[in-house]
Amino acid sequence: AQSVSQHNHHVILSEAASLELGCNYSYGGTVNLFWYVQYPGQHLQLLLKYFSGDPLVKGIKGFEAEFIKSKFSFNLRKPSVQWSDTAEYFCAVNAAGGYNKLIFGAGTRLAVHP
Amino acid sequence: GAVVSQHPSWVICKSGTSVKIECRSLDFQATTMFWYRQFPKQSLMLMATSNEGSKATYEQGVEKDKFLINHASLTLSTLTVTSAHPEDSSFYICSARDLGQGYQPQHFGDGTRLSIL
Repeated sequence: AQSVSQHNHHVILSEAASLELGCNYSYGGTVNLFWYVQYPGQHLQLLLKYFSGDPLVKGIKGFEAEFIKSKFSFNLRKPSVQWSDTAEYFCAVNAAGGYNKLIFGAGTRLAVHP
Repeated sequence: GAVVSQHPSWVICKSGTSVKIECRSLDFQATTMFWYRQFPKQSLMLMATSNEGSKATYEQGVEKDKFLINHASLTLSTLTVTSAHPEDSSFYICSARDLGQGYQPQHFGDGTRLSIL
């Protein structure tokens, strides 16, 4: 069965610090990978996605993620965080071609202090 | 951008009551909607996939008679929690996928917090 593991449940950073949130998945076949963000009081929004091609994916608001197939990882990065990045971040995966079923990680709550 | 409206946002009711949650796609048509459940500090768990005009597909372990799903139109899906009990208290989130070929992203509603007393 597919599963997604997010290593950090809660991350606290100061503004301008660099961010890396870990995500590992468990699935033997080809996968599509996603990062979603949920700002306080708002709904989930797609941050970025990987289907194929360049394993380094750039998303909105300066975020990027790198797919490392050998490590079954899809870590999210941002070189310099802002206070407005305070949110909860969810990694998700589905089987390639199976656009329906998203398997989510438990989420990482990021707090950025000014 | 695509907007999904979920109603109500919060409901508190007595044990044994049935509760209906609505999920509407406001500015697009969705043949497929999804219902998730989220427990505190845990991930979203897919409960069922709702297809317009046909029966919903439930995930393993989800009671279809307990969680009734109706997707009567391309813009509305409803989840009814029948005879709700305290263990049904949770955060329920819907999402909808636009019509179209190939990949279409899921757009999420704001969620409904259900508290059963």
